Amino acid sequence: DTGVSQNPRHKITKRGQNVTFRCDPISEHNRLYWYRQTLGQGPEFLTYFQNEAQLEKSRLLSDRFSAERPKGSFSTLEIQRTEQGDSAMYLCASSERSLSENTGELFFGEGSRLTVL
Amino acid sequence: QKEVEQDPGPLSVPEGAIVSLNCTYSNSAFQYFMWYRQYSRKGPELLMYTYSSGNKEDGRFTAQVDKSSKYISLFIRDSQPSDSATYLCATQGSPKLIFGTGTRLQVFP
Repeated sequence: DTGVSQNPRHKITKRGQNVTFRCDPISEHNRLYWYRQTLGQGPEFLTYFQNEAQLEKSRLLSDRFSAERPKGSFSTLEIQRTEQGDSAMYLCASSERSLSENTGELFFGEGSRLTVL
Repeated sequence: QKEVEQDPGPLSVPEGAIVSLNCTYSNSAFQYFMWYRQYSRKGPELLMYTYSSGNKEDGRFTAQVDKSSKYISLFIRDSQPSDSATYLCATQGSPKLIFGTGTRLQVFP
């Protein structure tokens, strides 16, 4: 078990470009989460998948953001027409069971850092 | 008002000190409370978990929840330089976790 894997680890892009991040969760985990973390802040929830179904989206997830989890395995987070305010660490996490059944444990990846110039 | 409030610090203490980290939360319906630790350039990892009120101890770490005052605490005894990290309190807003801003802790030798 190699843990949650995220790629790329760091992406530098120009404003207006599209970027895509990939998350490979722990293989037996059917729940997958995306969070965003800016400097000096805690992680902020973006969206949640149970298997391939996207069950909840934060209002932080504007229409420029889209997340998918085809076949309930890996997930992608795409940001279209990036803005400087999108610069942040994008964290992916997974869990095998619901939070209440699982003592609140999410397994996080090391994150994908986005810098928008 | 944020659902979980946490003093961002930074907090700098000498090795061996007792550290107290605190959070408050706004929703009395929250039942599950966690502390995550995040080292620089890493993702958060679960440190402690408590359900409802009371204390929970794990080695040098004690988590405390006071639901009457909506107050969450983490105590670290005999702090070590390896404890230097950001500590995030969190609660469960099903199906997701809601995090505080994190407190950056530095333990110097």
